[in-house]
Amino acid sequence: QVQLVQSGAEVTEPGASVKVSCKASGYTFSGYDIYWVRQAPGQGLEWMGGINVGNGNTGYSAKFRGRVTITRDTSASTAYMELTSLRSEDTAVYYCARQRYFDFWGQGTLVTVSS
Amino acid sequence: QSALTQPASVSGSPGQSITISCTGTSSDVGGYNYVTWHQQHPGQAPKLLIYDVNNRPSGVSNRFSGSKSGNTASLTISGLQAEDEADYYCSSYTSSNTYVFGIGTKVTVL
Repeated sequence: QVQLVQSGAEVTEPGASVKVSCKASGYTFSGYDIYWVRQAPGQGLEWMGGINVGNGNTGYSAKFRGRVTITRDTSASTAYMELTSLRSEDTAVYYCARQRYFDFWGQGTLVTVSS
Repeated sequence: QSALTQPASVSGSPGQSITISCTGTSSDVGGYNYVTWHQQHPGQAPKLLIYDVNNRPSGVSNRFSGSKSGNTASLTISGLQAEDEADYYCSSYTSSNTYVFGIGTKVTVL
């Protein structure tokens, strides 16, 4: 069965960076795009960007462009999302999701930015 | 890219039907048949209900249906059940080759 398993919760300080991983199983990893979506506490879903796992091409929301980098390691069936210059407003649960209609989701990774 | 507009809350009694709207622009909802709907219960990851405006993935109840007219998409839940109480989000592909979500709708079963 399709599974996306994300790395564990992170606590970090303002100005630092965080890198979240998303390991896929149960399907051909290179055949589907991976997207990243975040959800601040008590707030809605926010699309951050995505990667064509096959060729590595990426696309990002204008809001995060310049601060976010999405990569993948096809040998490990894993996608990564790195967010830099963190601020308190980046405290959120970060999800990875498969393909353009987000049919399967990771369990979410809570990133807490606090001094 | 502004979030798609959804009503903050919708409520209904068990057995009734409710409809949640999702309004965008001709650059997103109105321009593409790439609208999805997700259901999210507290503390859980979202679950796909509808893709490409009106398609249901296998395993999703046929009580959920989607449609679109112009710049507004809609999700209808028929035969409302207690387990349908959750947050619902629409999303759409955009002309900027990005995606945008709606602000979310809280459904309450009275």
